[in-house]
Amino acid sequence: KAGVTQTPRYLIKTRGQQVTLSCSPISGHRSVSWYQQTPGQGLQFLFEYFSETQRNKGNFPGRFSGRQFSNSRSEMNVSTLELGDSALYLCASRGSGVRDEKLFFGSGTQLSVL
Amino acid sequence: DQQVKQNSPSLSVQEGRISILNCDYTNSMFDYFLWYKKYPAEGPTFLISISSIKDKNEDGRFTVFLNKSAKHLSLHIVPSQPGDSAVYFCAARRASNFGNEKLTFGTGTRLTIIP
Repeated sequence: KAGVTQTPRYLIKTRGQQVTLSCSPISGHRSVSWYQQTPGQGLQFLFEYFSETQRNKGNFPGRFSGRQFSNSRSEMNVSTLELGDSALYLCASRGSGVRDEKLFFGSGTQLSVL
Repeated sequence: DQQVKQNSPSLSVQEGRISILNCDYTNSMFDYFLWYKKYPAEGPTFLISISSIKDKNEDGRFTVFLNKSAKHLSLHIVPSQPGDSAVYFCAARRASNFGNEKLTFGTGTRLTIIP
């Protein structure tokens, strides 16, 4: 079974631009979560999508948005980029059962904002 | 509000000895806890978990202990090996009948095993 796939691996953008990151979950997984990792802050939860609906949201500004498609693939968009948005963005998927607690992570997209 | 805390940013342990990583939480609604391991340039991978109905769970060299009254859990690695050098994240989830609760992560502890 293929793992979680994130594209691209690396991105360099300038302030004010917008960016879209992509995530393909493990086949059969309908839940996709996004996390931001920065040094000293650990993994900060952005949002979770399940069956094309956002069912959880973290404390990030509205510049951060996402969506999920019918094939469970997800995209995350950040508009009007700021220097502080430089981080590793991780996508994770999990199964649909109540007991499916484990998240399976992709390798992440390293975003650098200059 | 950091509900899951890993107060040691780094830890160095001699190869073959025991590594103990600690994690504290503040939310008494958390009932499921996980440890993840992360190598550079890779995503975190699941290591071991424990439900709040237990106080210990073992998997090979890895053991997680949960002290609910102290809101504290720890990960023991015995014996420590060079390949264990990584960043370890503690994570917790609230109980849910719908399986829709998010995982809340700590800030991580960088473990270095000295050969």
